[in-house]
Amino acid sequence: AQRVTQPEKLLSVFKGAPVELKCNYSYSGSPELFWYVQYSRQRLQLLLRHISRESIKGFTADLNKGETSFHLKKPFAQEEDSAMYYCAEGGSEKLVFGKGTKLTVNP
Amino acid sequence: KAGVTQTPRYLIKTRGQQVTLSCSPISGHRSVSWYQQTPGQGLQFLFEYFSETQRNKGNFPGRFSGRQFSNSRSEMNVSTLELGDSALYLCASSLLGGQMNTEAFFGQGTRLTVV
Repeated sequence: AQRVTQPEKLLSVFKGAPVELKCNYSYSGSPELFWYVQYSRQRLQLLLRHISRESIKGFTADLNKGETSFHLKKPFAQEEDSAMYYCAEGGSEKLVFGKGTKLTVNP
Repeated sequence: KAGVTQTPRYLIKTRGQQVTLSCSPISGHRSVSWYQQTPGQGLQFLFEYFSETQRNKGNFPGRFSGRQFSNSRSEMNVSTLELGDSALYLCASSLLGGQMNTEAFFGQGTRLTVV
């Protein structure tokens, strides 16, 4: 079955520190991986997708097929990055989400 | 262009009742998916509709059903409500969905409380 695991429910860092949000997937085919973000009182929105290989708001994510991971990274966290982050996999016709990681960036 | 619109925003129902939630996708989007969001389980996939046909279904009981109209608007229905159905129900629309997996745009959700 298609599964997405985000091992950390909560992650707290200080402003300016590097941040890495972990995501592992189990889909055996060609994965389609995404990171979605939900800021306080806002709707869930796409942050980035692996196929575009973009850097959005300083975040990057690299697909590692050997480790079946798609970790989200940012070298210098900002307070406005505080939000819920969801990893999602969509290779098999439906988008399956991890349970999310709540990132808090402290001043 | 207008985003995904879900109505109503809030609902309070009693156990045993049924409820219908509505979702208007972004104009031109043909795929509509529904998710249940709870603090303990996160986002769980309910079902996806494309061109008025249910294309994918999650692991929810038959009390959860949905449909899509010719204008791509979608409704989901939950019958015989249980306390555990209390959740935020999110609708997402995308151009094609499915294996094409174009970006999904989410509505603000309907907060359902079952008492």
